[in-house]
Amino acid sequence: GENVEQHPSTLSVQEGDSAVIKCTYSDSASNYFPWYKQELGKGPQLIIDIRSNVGEKKDQRIAVTLNKTAKHFSLHITETQPEDSAVYFCAASGGGYQKVTFGTGTKLQVIP
Amino acid sequence: DAGVTQSPTHLIKTRGQQVTLRCSPISGHKSVSWYQQVLGQGPQFIFQYYEKEERGRGNFPDRFSARQFPNYSSELNVNALLLGDSALYLCASMRGSGNTGELFFGEGSRLTVL
Repeated sequence: GENVEQHPSTLSVQEGDSAVIKCTYSDSASNYFPWYKQELGKGPQLIIDIRSNVGEKKDQRIAVTLNKTAKHFSLHITETQPEDSAVYFCAASGGGYQKVTFGTGTKLQVIP
Repeated sequence: DAGVTQSPTHLIKTRGQQVTLRCSPISGHKSVSWYQQVLGQGPQFIFQYYEKEERGRGNFPDRFSARQFPNYSSELNVNALLLGDSALYLCASMRGSGNTGELFFGEGSRLTVL
């Protein structure tokens, strides 16, 4: 089955700096790579996603890159703000049903 | 519009007991998935249902079962509870049946097994 590894597990940045979270996946059949943000006491919420036919996608301060050959993808957050503090999960899915395999999460702390 | 709603939000059970968790998807969403999230880890896939049919099952024992009703709501049942079943159980809905689309998660049911 699919295995998703995520690094780092914790990340502290100063407000205004950039944050980068990296993930690798194992199943070459995976073709959809979402990123979810989970705030305390809430369920995960999609912040950006990328499909296997695209190498990069950007949405305001958030960007995701995908390297299919190396089987890794990354989340980049620029100009971080305190409200960006949360746990971020990368994920991968493929095949005929909605099994989404999540990484272990990165706890991001943005220091004002 | 209301998001995904789950009940109960918190519950405490003892080992050996049974629990039923409930989920109502977003209106118009026909797919419901269940995930288990142990503290400090990512969600793990348990089941996916679409149009009342099971479309996928994760690596969980037969003590875990689920079903989806004609109104697309769903229940997750766990029998013979073990201490290791303590977790946040998340329900997610999606409009279609494919595997490339946004999952909308509820806030979860936090189960504590004593």
